[in-house]
Amino acid sequence: AQSVTQLGSHVSVSEGALVLLRCNYSSSVPPYLFWYVQYPNQGLQLLLKYTSAATLVKGINGFEAEFKKSETSFHLTKPSAHMSDAAEYFCAAGGGSQGNLIFGKGTKLSVKP
Amino acid sequence: EAQVTQNPRYLITVTGKKLTVTCSQNMNHEYMSWYRQDPGLGLRQIYYSMNVEVTDKGDVPEGYKVSRKEKRNFPLILESPSPNQTSLYFCASRRGHTNEKLFFGSGTQLSVL
Repeated sequence: AQSVTQLGSHVSVSEGALVLLRCNYSSSVPPYLFWYVQYPNQGLQLLLKYTSAATLVKGINGFEAEFKKSETSFHLTKPSAHMSDAAEYFCAAGGGSQGNLIFGKGTKLSVKP
Repeated sequence: EAQVTQNPRYLITVTGKKLTVTCSQNMNHEYMSWYRQDPGLGLRQIYYSMNVEVTDKGDVPEGYKVSRKEKRNFPLILESPSPNQTSLYFCASRRGHTNEKLFFGSGTQLSVL
């Protein structure tokens, strides 16, 4: 069965610093992989998705993620954090016949001025 | 505007009093799903539907019912709510293919006393 692990329930960075949010998945077959973001009091929005076309995926708001099959990882990065990036980030994997997504437990990102 | 609409936004009820949370999407999506979000547990799938009259259990279906009589609507029914169903609930939809992004509603915060 697929599972998604996000390392670190809370990550704090300074404004302008690198953002790195970690995600590992377990699957015998590379799945579809997603990063979603949840701003306070809102639903989730898609940041980016991997569908095997390219291992480096660029998303909205300057975020990108790299699929590494050998490490079963799909870490999310942004070169320079902005205060508006403060939110909770969820990694998700899918790909079964129904395409149900398995979500990680989320990482709350705080950005200090 | 493409959207998933959930109602109500907030709901406080008492143990055993039947309630329904409505979900409607205006994008003609085949796939719809309900999730609950709890601190430290991320999003867990309750039920999903691949199309009209086709529903199936997710990871945590106990205590919930759903129906899909029309393509646009996917209500979540709690026949006899209990305090352990206090949670933040999200409805989501997408086009049929498994790698399409999910569109999320704004959420329903349910408190069962």
